[in-house]
This record gives sequence, structure tokens and C-alpha cells, in this order.
Amino acid sequence: AQSVTQPDIHITVSEGASLELRCNYSYGATPYLFWYVQSPGQGLQLLLKYFSGDTLVQGIKGFEAEFKRSQSSFNLRKPSVHWSDAAEYFCAVGADPSNTGKLIFGQGTTLQVKP
Amino acid sequence: DAGVTQSPTHLIKTRGQQVTLRCSPKSGHDTVSWYQQALGQGPQFIFQYYEEEERQRGNFPDRFSGHQFPNYSSELNVNALLLGDSALYLCASSLRNNSPLHFGNGTRLTVT
Repeated sequence: AQSVTQPDIHITVSEGASLELRCNYSYGATPYLFWYVQSPGQGLQLLLKYFSGDTLVQGIKGFEAEFKRSQSSFNLRKPSVHWSDAAEYFCAVGADPSNTGKLIFGQGTTLQVKP
Repeated sequence: DAGVTQSPTHLIKTRGQQVTLRCSPKSGHDTVSWYQQALGQGPQFIFQYYEEEERQRGNFPDRFSGHQFPNYSSELNVNALLLGDSALYLCASSLRNNSPLHFGNGTRLTVT
């Protein structure tokens, strides 16, 4: 069965520091991977997705993620965090690239940014 | 360009009651998926509607049902509410042919 693990429930970084949020997945075939961000009281916004090809994926708001098949990981990174990046971040895996409606989400990582 | 809209934003119901949540997809989208997000958890897939039929379903009991209308909007119905149904219910829309999900802001359901 597919599953997603986000090992860090809560992370605090200083503004301007670099960020890496971890995501590990369990899936037998080629996974289709996503990172979403959720601000308080809001729905989820897609940051980036990986379907195939280049394992380093660029997203919106300066985020990037790297797919590492050997480690079953899809970690999210940002070189310099801004206060507005404080939010909940979710990693998700899908089984079917032709139907991205059914996703398995991780538990989420709450990012706090210190001034 | 209107995104995904959900109504109502908040709802309080009593155990045993029934509730209907509504969703209008993003303009141009034809597929609607519903998710339940309990407090402190990631969203869990409930079901997906396309061409007015339920196409996929997650691990939710039959108390959860839905409908999609010809204009692609959708409803989520939950019967015989339990305290454990308290959650944020998210609607997401997409195009059938491999497009990412666009989420609404959700309906916060509280069951007392």
C-alpha cells in the first residue's frame, strides 16, 4: 500500500536561513509526487510536482524538490526562507498520472519562521 | 478566473444529523475530488466524481455519499453524523487528463 511519511512534525528556522523538509514514500512502482502548502484557514496550494524526467523539480515561490528513488525520498528545499513561508507543508503521492485526483498525503510539517 | 469555491465555510451539527456540503470547481475543470482533513492530519481521499459518476472511493463508510451535477459542481453528503466526522472537508477540482488538483478553502464541520 502507498504511504507517505513526513518525519518532522514541526520545524523552526530563522528568516533568511535555508530550509529542507523531508518526505519519504512507500510505493512499488514509479510514484507521482507532490508538495502542497496550506496557510491557516486556507486550502492547499500546489508548490511543485514530479511525474518523470529530471529528478530536480522547480516550483513556485522559490521552492525545489529532489526525487531520490534509491532513498524513496522527495525532500523540499528553499535556499532562503521568508516570514511568509510559515505554513503547513504536505507531501503527497499519486498512483496514476492520468488521474491526479486521488492522492495519499503525509501528516504534514508545520514551518515556523523566526525573525 | 474563479477558483474552487465551497459552501458553507463553517457548519455545526449534532450527532445523528445529516449534512450537505457544496463545491463549485475551478472554471474549465470537470473532475471533483473530496478530502477529509482531521485536525493535525493530512487530507484523506473520500471519493472522486467525473461525468456525474463516482469514479474512485477511499476508505470511507457508505454514510459518505456524493453527487456531481451537469455543470460539474458537486455535493458531499454525510448521514448519521458521528463526533469523529468533525473535520475540514476539502474539495479539489482538476481536468481528467492529468492536471494537478486545485483546492478550495474547505468547510469546517463540527459535530457536537
